[in-house]
Amino acid sequence: GESVGLHLPTLSVQEGDNSIINCAYSNSASDYFIWYKQESGKGPQFIIDIRSNMDKRQGQRVTVLLNKTVKHLSLQIAATQPGDSAVYFCAETSNYGQNFVFGPGTRLSVLP
Amino acid sequence: DGGITQSPKYLFRKEGQNVTLSCEQNLNHDAMYWYRQDPGQGLRLIYYSQIVNDFQKGDIAEGYSVSREKKESFPLTVTSAQKNPTAFYLCASSISPGANTEAFFGQGTRLTVV
Repeated sequence: GESVGLHLPTLSVQEGDNSIINCAYSNSASDYFIWYKQESGKGPQFIIDIRSNMDKRQGQRVTVLLNKTVKHLSLQIAATQPGDSAVYFCAETSNYGQNFVFGPGTRLSVLP
Repeated sequence: DGGITQSPKYLFRKEGQNVTLSCEQNLNHDAMYWYRQDPGQGLRLIYYSQIVNDFQKGDIAEGYSVSREKKESFPLTVTSAQKNPTAFYLCASSISPGANTEAFFGQGTRLTVV
């Protein structure tokens, strides 16, 4: 299940199950969105991106969904594996944007 | 092998000292960024630069300074005015602001005040 810890919200899933990580973005003018994965002590790594003219994009085992009406982004990970355990961040920017704005992050914990 | 390199990986600073964190990229990116990350928290923007010899303050610029004399380099100085500098510092770059391409991150520098 999903819970809000002292800092990062945590999502715990069983190995092999699907994971869904959610993100609410702030700027209705944002038109480009990215999901990053950050392992402990490392820099964030790009997972998948989506532009605002799309509502779904699929990669290898990952799918990003964009709902512009409610300013919501989600990352779905199929058949979650132990190596998926990490913190996941969404980021938003725009054609007129000067920089990337990151969400607070969600810690994904994969249970054996 | 293109990428973004931060050094050192670990840095210890005595109170009252200034320290400089290095960030170099060979991706030919125009835009570079510095973020601070505290344990269990997200990324907060310190400074960013869209082009050589120009940079702007982010959300938490107080106590930090930067320079952008070369396209490939964006060093961050943590000054003695930064009262709580212990954190994980991340540098990133992107092709150009507003290009709608992802930011690439370095592996971070962990700064500890001793």
